[in-house]
Amino acid sequence: DSGVTQTPKHLITATGQRVTLRCSPRSGDLSVYWYQQSLDQGLQFLIQYYNGEERAKGNILERFSAQQFPDLHSELNLSSLELGDSALYFCASSHSGLAGSNTGELFFGEGSRLTVL
Amino acid sequence: AQTVTQSQPEMSVQEAETVTLSCTYDTSESDYYLFWYKQPPSRQMILVIRQEAYKQQNATENRFSVNFQKAAKSFSLKISDSQLGDAAMYFCAYRRSYGQNFVFGPGTRLSVLP
Repeated sequence: DSGVTQTPKHLITATGQRVTLRCSPRSGDLSVYWYQQSLDQGLQFLIQYYNGEERAKGNILERFSAQQFPDLHSELNLSSLELGDSALYFCASSHSGLAGSNTGELFFGEGSRLTVL
Repeated sequence: AQTVTQSQPEMSVQEAETVTLSCTYDTSESDYYLFWYKQPPSRQMILVIRQEAYKQQNATENRFSVNFQKAAKSFSLKISDSQLGDAAMYFCAYRRSYGQNFVFGPGTRLSVLP
């Protein structure tokens, strides 16, 4: 158990709909990362938050948005869903990267599997 | 920008044999971390091994070890006594020590043949 919790684990919805994926990072981790992984593909970095603020943006579509709340949990909102948005969405957390405060790695949740029909 | 390359999209190994997965990276930094993550069919991302760049000694975790060549910017993963449960996608990843951005390679799919 990585300590990162993602809900829901599975989600089936229709094109044009909107969904929200939720992530609770490990206790003490300030950074949250979102990744998209389509079938048999690599990890596509979407966005990163640190202590409530957006820190880095990857290939995130304008239809997608995210935020990190004061309690450090994060939500990824996907709207106007298309068939191609079907994927496994990972949340991961890490320490801040400050010296002496972390072991460096990302801790991944089990992912939210989104199917758009 | 940092990049991570895994030149072997697919590899296979006979059960109980040894296999080495390749990873090269590009960075101008001197302090960083390197990782190997395993993604089995369950698709969960599992950390296999970690290497800090300032450490000359290669990291080892049971049957998994790395060959870290800092000057060559190479970070290969050796799996000894391969088991059926080692079959997975393996991702190499890089992170600056004082940064927060992770860079993942495209992955190598490892098959283990009985």
